[in-house]
Amino acid sequence: NAGVTQTPKFRVLKTGQSMTLLCAQDMNHEYMYWYRQDPGMGLRLIHYSVGEGTTAKGEVPDGYNVSRLKKQNFLLGLESAAPSQTSVYFCASSYLGLAGIPETQYFGPGTRLLVL
Amino acid sequence: AQSVTQPDIHITVSEGASLELRCNYSYGATPYLFWYVQSPGQGLQLLLKYFSGDTLVQGIKGFEAEFKRSQSSFNLRKPSVHWSDAAEYFCAVGPDSNYQLIWGAGTKLIIKP
Repeated sequence: NAGVTQTPKFRVLKTGQSMTLLCAQDMNHEYMYWYRQDPGMGLRLIHYSVGEGTTAKGEVPDGYNVSRLKKQNFLLGLESAAPSQTSVYFCASSYLGLAGIPETQYFGPGTRLLVL
Repeated sequence: AQSVTQPDIHITVSEGASLELRCNYSYGATPYLFWYVQSPGQGLQLLLKYFSGDTLVQGIKGFEAEFKRSQSSFNLRKPSVHWSDAAEYFCAVGPDSNYQLIWGAGTKLIIKP
């Protein structure tokens, strides 16, 4: 099992460019998440998905869009990148535990994005 | 409001010494509690979790944590740290109203040789 994989690992963009980050999981998890991590701010949830075809906004969704067309994939898009989106992006997935509450999250290795 | 506080941004410990990382939370009911570890350049990995039952939970890599309801705390401990424990540690509680986790800001552990 590969677990959670993310592509690319590193990317440099110019302001205004667009890109898509891909996350894939092979654990048949229902839930998938996109976080950004900035120094001193911990993890902040961008968007999440509770199943194929469904997405929801997290704490910091502005400037990002997501899609979950297949259960195993969760895409994060930046339509017009800004320097404030320079960050490390993590994807995670989890299964539903008791009472339908998400259980342990499994993380990918991260994507470092630099927006100039 | 629901929140998680990790009071220490950095902690420096000598190799072989004991460790305690603090986590305090504000939550209306009994939360689900997690500790994750992030090694440099890596994603996060679950160390341990508490859902119910015995308030002292054992995790991987020799870590343990104790849920203290009266103090709203879930502190992480290890009796003797190794240089490989140098990492950032995150406490998380949940679920929130959207069934998501609330994350602490993290504590960076530095190991002195």
